[in-house]
Amino acid sequence: ELKVEQNPLFLSMQEGKNYTIYCNYSTTSDRLYWYRQDPGKSLESLFVLLSNGAVKQEGRLMASLDTKARLSTLHITAAVHDLSATYFCAGLTQGGSEKLVFGKGTKLTVNP
Amino acid sequence: EPEVTQTPSHQVTQMGQEVILRCVPISNHLYFYWYRQILGQKVEFLVSFYNNEISEKSEIFDDQFSVERPDGSNFTLKIRSTKLEDSAMYFCASSGGRRFSGNTIYFGEGSWLTVV
Repeated sequence: ELKVEQNPLFLSMQEGKNYTIYCNYSTTSDRLYWYRQDPGKSLESLFVLLSNGAVKQEGRLMASLDTKARLSTLHITAAVHDLSATYFCAGLTQGGSEKLVFGKGTKLTVNP
Repeated sequence: EPEVTQTPSHQVTQMGQEVILRCVPISNHLYFYWYRQILGQKVEFLVSFYNNEISEKSEIFDDQFSVERPDGSNFTLKIRSTKLEDSAMYFCASSGGRRFSGNTIYFGEGSWLTVV
Protein backbone atom coordinates (compact mmCIF):
# COMPACT_ATOMS: atom_id res chain seq x y z
CA GLU A 1 0.00 0.00 0.00
CA LEU A 2 1.32 3.40 -0.97
CA LYS A 3 2.29 5.65 1.91
CA VAL A 4 3.49 9.23 1.46
CA GLU A 5 5.53 11.09 4.03
CA GLN A 6 6.45 14.72 3.94
CA ASN A 7 8.93 16.61 5.98
CA PRO A 8 9.10 18.98 7.55
CA LEU A 9 5.47 19.35 8.59
CA PHE A 10 6.02 22.93 9.67
CA LEU A 11 8.46 25.35 8.13
CA SER A 12 9.02 28.93 9.12
CA MET A 13 11.43 30.87 7.00
CA GLN A 14 12.47 34.38 6.25
CA GLU A 15 11.86 36.13 3.01
CA GLY A 16 14.72 35.72 0.59
CA LYS A 17 15.85 32.36 1.92
CA ASN A 18 15.87 29.01 0.14
CA TYR A 19 14.46 25.78 1.45
CA THR A 20 13.39 22.31 0.35
CA ILE A 21 10.38 20.21 1.26
CA TYR A 22 10.85 16.47 0.98
CA CYS A 23 8.31 13.87 -0.02
CA ASN A 24 9.11 10.18 0.37
CA TYR A 25 6.81 7.45 -0.84
CA SER A 26 6.82 3.79 0.02
CA THR A 27 6.07 1.92 -3.19
CA THR A 28 6.20 2.63 -6.88
CA SER A 29 3.91 5.43 -7.88
CA ASP A 30 2.91 6.33 -11.42
CA ARG A 31 2.80 10.03 -10.84
CA LEU A 32 3.70 12.49 -8.14
CA TYR A 33 1.68 15.63 -7.59
CA TRP A 34 2.32 18.80 -5.67
CA TYR A 35 -0.57 20.95 -4.48
CA ARG A 36 -0.83 24.21 -2.62
CA GLN A 37 -3.63 24.93 -0.17
CA ASP A 38 -4.43 28.28 1.41
CA PRO A 39 -6.42 28.18 4.67
CA GLY A 40 -10.00 27.11 4.07
CA LYS A 41 -9.43 26.89 0.34
CA SER A 42 -9.13 24.24 -2.31
CA LEU A 43 -6.08 22.42 -3.57
CA GLU A 44 -4.31 24.25 -6.32
CA SER A 45 -2.30 22.05 -8.63
CA LEU A 46 1.35 23.06 -8.83
CA PHE A 47 3.18 20.22 -10.56
CA VAL A 48 2.65 16.76 -11.99
CA LEU A 49 5.83 14.69 -12.20
CA LEU A 50 5.72 11.65 -14.42
CA SER A 51 9.11 10.12 -14.76
CA ASN A 52 12.45 9.67 -13.11
CA GLY A 53 14.54 12.79 -13.24
CA ALA A 54 11.58 15.02 -14.03
CA VAL A 55 12.12 18.61 -13.00
CA LYS A 56 9.53 21.34 -13.29
CA GLN A 57 9.75 24.97 -12.34
CA GLU A 58 7.19 27.68 -11.88
CA GLY A 59 8.36 30.98 -10.50
CA ARG A 60 10.15 30.44 -7.20
CA LEU A 61 9.10 26.80 -6.93
CA MET A 62 10.88 23.86 -8.47
CA ALA A 63 9.85 20.23 -8.12
CA SER A 64 11.85 17.14 -8.93
CA LEU A 65 11.31 13.42 -8.89
CA ASP A 66 13.73 10.56 -8.21
CA THR A 67 11.79 7.34 -8.67
CA LYS A 68 14.70 5.15 -7.66
CA ALA A 69 14.97 6.87 -4.30
CA ARG A 70 11.16 7.26 -4.17
CA LEU A 71 11.69 10.90 -3.38
CA SER A 72 10.28 14.13 -4.66
CA THR A 73 11.41 17.55 -3.57
CA LEU A 74 9.85 20.98 -3.73
CA HIS A 75 12.51 23.65 -3.65
CA ILE A 76 11.66 27.21 -2.75
CA THR A 77 14.01 29.91 -3.99
CA ALA A 78 14.16 33.37 -2.41
CA ALA A 79 10.89 32.92 -0.56
CA VAL A 80 8.32 35.68 -0.46
CA HIS A 81 5.39 36.12 1.92
CA ASP A 82 2.87 35.14 -0.77
CA LEU A 83 4.25 31.62 -0.74
CA SER A 84 2.89 31.07 2.77
CA ALA A 85 0.50 28.12 2.48
CA THR A 86 0.31 24.39 3.09
CA TYR A 87 1.97 22.27 0.44
CA PHE A 88 0.92 18.70 -0.17
CA CYS A 89 2.55 16.01 -2.20
CA ALA A 90 0.45 13.10 -3.40
CA GLY A 91 1.26 9.88 -5.20
CA LEU A 92 -0.96 8.02 -7.60
CA THR A 93 -1.33 4.35 -6.72
CA GLN A 94 -0.52 1.76 -9.31
CA GLY A 95 -2.45 -1.15 -10.65
CA GLY A 96 -5.39 0.45 -12.37
CA SER A 97 -6.29 2.71 -9.49
CA GLU A 98 -6.84 6.43 -9.84
CA LYS A 99 -6.45 7.06 -6.14
CA LEU A 100 -4.23 9.85 -4.89
CA VAL A 101 -2.52 9.25 -1.56
CA PHE A 102 -1.60 12.49 0.14
CA GLY A 103 1.13 13.35 2.57
CA LYS A 104 0.25 15.24 5.74
CA GLY A 105 1.27 18.53 4.22
CA THR A 106 3.95 21.08 5.02
CA LYS A 107 2.71 24.32 6.50
CA LEU A 108 5.03 27.02 5.22
CA THR A 109 5.17 30.43 6.83
CA VAL A 110 7.34 33.05 5.21
CA ASN A 111 8.13 35.91 7.53
CA PRO A 112 8.85 39.39 6.17
CA GLU B 1 -8.52 28.08 -16.45
CA PRO B 2 -11.13 25.32 -16.24
CA GLU B 3 -12.64 24.70 -12.86
CA VAL B 4 -14.59 22.21 -10.82
CA THR B 5 -17.52 23.81 -9.04
CA GLN B 6 -19.13 22.58 -5.85
CA THR B 7 -22.29 23.41 -3.93
CA PRO B 8 -23.02 24.15 -1.21
CA SER B 9 -19.87 25.82 0.03
CA HIS B 10 -20.96 25.22 3.60
CA GLN B 11 -23.69 23.10 5.11
CA VAL B 12 -24.69 22.55 8.70
CA THR B 13 -26.81 19.50 9.35
CA GLN B 14 -28.13 17.65 12.32
CA MET B 15 -26.80 14.22 13.16
CA GLY B 16 -28.83 11.54 11.44
CA GLN B 17 -29.89 13.71 8.53
CA GLU B 18 -29.06 13.03 4.90
CA VAL B 19 -26.83 15.38 2.95
CA ILE B 20 -26.19 15.69 -0.77
CA LEU B 21 -23.09 17.48 -1.96
CA ARG B 22 -23.03 18.53 -5.56
CA CYS B 23 -20.24 18.95 -8.04
CA VAL B 24 -19.93 20.02 -11.64
CA PRO B 25 -16.69 18.55 -12.98
CA ILE B 26 -14.80 20.10 -15.84
CA SER B 27 -16.62 19.35 -19.05
CA ASN B 28 -15.10 16.57 -21.15
CA HIS B 29 -13.36 15.11 -18.13
CA LEU B 30 -13.82 11.39 -17.69
CA TYR B 31 -12.71 10.62 -14.13
CA PHE B 32 -14.43 11.99 -11.06
CA TYR B 33 -13.47 11.75 -7.42
CA TRP B 34 -14.50 12.66 -3.93
CA TYR B 35 -11.95 13.35 -1.23
CA ARG B 36 -12.38 14.67 2.25
CA GLN B 37 -10.22 16.59 4.68
CA ILE B 38 -11.00 16.64 8.37
CA LEU B 39 -9.92 19.96 9.85
CA GLY B 40 -6.17 20.16 10.14
CA GLN B 41 -5.58 16.70 8.72
CA LYS B 42 -4.50 15.32 5.40
CA VAL B 43 -6.69 14.82 2.38
CA GLU B 44 -8.22 11.34 2.16
CA PHE B 45 -9.55 9.53 -0.87
CA LEU B 46 -13.18 8.46 -0.75
CA VAL B 47 -14.18 7.24 -4.19
CA SER B 48 -13.38 7.38 -7.88
CA PHE B 49 -15.96 7.16 -10.64
CA TYR B 50 -15.50 6.36 -14.30
CA ASN B 51 -17.83 5.34 -17.08
CA ASN B 52 -20.86 5.74 -14.84
CA GLU B 53 -19.69 3.43 -12.14
CA ILE B 54 -17.48 3.39 -9.08
CA SER B 55 -13.98 2.34 -10.06
CA GLU B 56 -12.52 2.36 -6.58
CA LYS B 57 -13.56 3.23 -3.04
CA SER B 58 -11.79 3.50 0.28
CA GLU B 59 -12.66 1.89 3.60
CA ILE B 60 -14.22 5.20 4.62
CA PHE B 61 -16.73 4.92 1.79
CA ASP B 62 -19.13 2.49 3.41
CA ASP B 63 -22.85 1.96 2.91
CA GLN B 64 -23.52 5.37 4.38
CA PHE B 65 -22.11 6.97 1.25
CA SER B 66 -23.19 6.86 -2.36
CA VAL B 67 -22.31 8.70 -5.54
CA GLU B 68 -24.29 9.40 -8.63
CA ARG B 69 -23.97 11.13 -11.94
CA PRO B 70 -27.62 11.91 -12.54
CA ASP B 71 -27.08 13.79 -15.79
CA GLY B 72 -24.28 14.78 -18.10
CA SER B 73 -22.86 17.46 -15.86
CA ASN B 74 -23.46 16.82 -12.17
CA PHE B 75 -21.69 14.44 -9.83
CA THR B 76 -23.13 14.03 -6.36
CA LEU B 77 -22.07 12.57 -3.04
CA LYS B 78 -24.86 11.49 -0.73
CA ILE B 79 -24.22 10.87 2.94
CA ARG B 80 -27.04 9.08 4.69
CA SER B 81 -27.62 9.39 8.40
CA THR B 82 -24.73 11.76 9.07
CA LYS B 83 -22.51 11.34 12.10
CA LEU B 84 -20.46 13.88 14.01
CA GLU B 85 -17.26 12.41 12.56
CA ASP B 86 -18.48 13.15 9.04
CA SER B 87 -17.74 16.81 9.68
CA ALA B 88 -15.07 17.69 7.14
CA MET B 89 -14.32 19.54 3.94
CA TYR B 90 -15.41 17.43 0.99
CA PHE B 91 -13.58 17.99 -2.27
CA CYS B 92 -14.75 16.95 -5.66
CA ALA B 93 -12.10 16.46 -8.32
CA SER B 94 -11.94 15.54 -11.97
CA SER B 95 -9.32 14.59 -14.50
CA GLY B 96 -9.36 14.37 -18.22
CA GLY B 97 -7.89 11.24 -19.55
CA ARG B 98 -6.09 8.01 -19.21
CA ARG B 99 -3.82 7.09 -16.35
CA PHE B 100 -0.60 7.72 -18.15
CA SER B 101 -1.50 10.89 -19.93
CA GLY B 102 -0.11 13.03 -17.13
CA ASN B 103 -3.34 14.92 -16.79
CA THR B 104 -3.74 17.16 -13.84
CA ILE B 105 -6.37 16.27 -11.27
CA TYR B 106 -8.35 19.42 -10.62
CA PHE B 107 -10.02 20.01 -7.29
CA GLY B 108 -13.09 22.07 -6.54
CA GLU B 109 -13.34 24.69 -3.82
CA GLY B 110 -14.81 22.18 -1.41
CA SER B 111 -17.97 21.85 0.64
CA TRP B 112 -17.63 22.32 4.38
CA LEU B 113 -19.94 19.92 6.16
CA THR B 114 -20.62 20.49 9.82
CA VAL B 115 -22.67 17.86 11.63
CA VAL B 116 -24.13 19.01 14.94
